Amino acid sequence: GEDVEQSLFLSVREGDSSVINCTYTDSSSTYLYWYKQEPGAGLQLLTYIFSNMDMKQDQRLTVLLNKKDKHLSLRIADTQTGDSAIYFCAEMEPGNQFYFGTGTSLTVIP
Amino acid sequence: KAGVTQTPRYLIKTRGQQVTLSCSPISGHRSVSWYQQTPGQGLQFLFEYFSETQRNKGNFPGRFSGRQFSNSRSEMNVSTLELGDSALYLCASSLDGANVLTFGAGSRLTVL
Repeated sequence: GEDVEQSLFLSVREGDSSVINCTYTDSSSTYLYWYKQEPGAGLQLLTYIFSNMDMKQDQRLTVLLNKKDKHLSLRIADTQTGDSAIYFCAEMEPGNQFYFGTGTSLTVIP
Repeated sequence: KAGVTQTPRYLIKTRGQQVTLSCSPISGHRSVSWYQQTPGQGLQFLFEYFSETQRNKGNFPGRFSGRQFSNSRSEMNVSTLELGDSALYLCASSLDGANVLTFGAGSRLTVL
């Protein structure tokens, strides 16, 4: 359950949609998460999805889960410069053990 | 409700020294986890404490240790510091059985 992979960088133009992808290996994951880290700060929980769900929407954020392919994505609609940050995908396995990806650095170009 | 508080926020040490970092969890949270964050490595799990007992442990050498006090505050210690220990050390707390971690702002350690 320790392999959670993300691409390292993503650049988008302000106003466009951003899609950040994540793959994981352990099928026993119970919850999957997206955290945001701004410079000099800790991780802030953005949203999470239970493993038996396919999709969750929360304002500008849409999470899609493909459990068969072990693929999680985060879509940010109408991306703003304030969305520039590092985004971490994480999974929780039975026993409340969390595993994090390496993070995707999102740059929003004005 | 105060968040997770980590002290100190920044510190500089030299090789061979030791360091102690502190974490005060959210009131009522009895589980405290520690992570090391380095560029390119993401977050690596160090250990988790619950009710003063280490419940889970990551794959770090014995130089890394921790403890938790009866008020749920936790400390982690790194002895015989190496250059590679330079990192952001993050603490997170949660309610037992809860599925959400709340993170502190981290302690940035630089080893020279």
